[in-house]
Amino acid sequence: AQSVTQPDIHITVSEGASLELRCNYSYGATPYLFWYVQSPGQGLQLLLKYFSGDTLVQGIKGFEAEFKRSQSSFNLRKPSVHWSDAAEYFCAVGSTTDSWGKFQFGAGTQVVVTP
Amino acid sequence: DGGITQSPKYLFRKEGQNVTLSCEQNLNHDAMYWYRQDPGQGLRLIYYSQIVNDFQKGDIAEGYSVSREKKESFPLTVTSAQKNPTAFYLCASSTQDRVGAFFGQGTRLTVV
Repeated sequence: AQSVTQPDIHITVSEGASLELRCNYSYGATPYLFWYVQSPGQGLQLLLKYFSGDTLVQGIKGFEAEFKRSQSSFNLRKPSVHWSDAAEYFCAVGSTTDSWGKFQFGAGTQVVVTP
Repeated sequence: DGGITQSPKYLFRKEGQNVTLSCEQNLNHDAMYWYRQDPGQGLRLIYYSQIVNDFQKGDIAEGYSVSREKKESFPLTVTSAQKNPTAFYLCASSTQDRVGAFFGQGTRLTVV
């Protein structure tokens, strides 16, 4: 069965500092991996996705993520955080054999940005 | 502009009443999904549909029902059998290629 773990429920980071959000997954084959961001009371916006190929994936808003098969991880990073990055971030694993929008989501990491 | 429209944004109902949440998309996507979001639990799949007139249960389908009579529309009914219906409900759609899913802005349902 698929599962996704985001170990950090809450992260506080200073504006301009770097950010790394952790994601570990469990899946029987090569997974399809996604990071989504959610502002309060809003829907989810896709930041980036990994299907195959280059293990370092670039996304929108200056985010990147690295797929590490040996560690079953897909961590999200940003070199310099802006106040507008305060939001909740979700890692998700998608099925390679089922419907393309059928995900297992992690519980989310809330990011707070301080001045 | 193409997108997914969920309505209403906020919904209040009395316990024991059925309520229907609307989801419409003009992206020409084949597949549509309903997710439920509770604090600290991420999103959980309720139902999904890959083609018109066909749908499948997700992980937490009990107490919910759906229909897919048109490609653009995928309404969700929260029935009185759902024990804890207060939550944030998100609708999504996707194509059959590897672009991920697009989400609506959500409906917050409060049952009192």
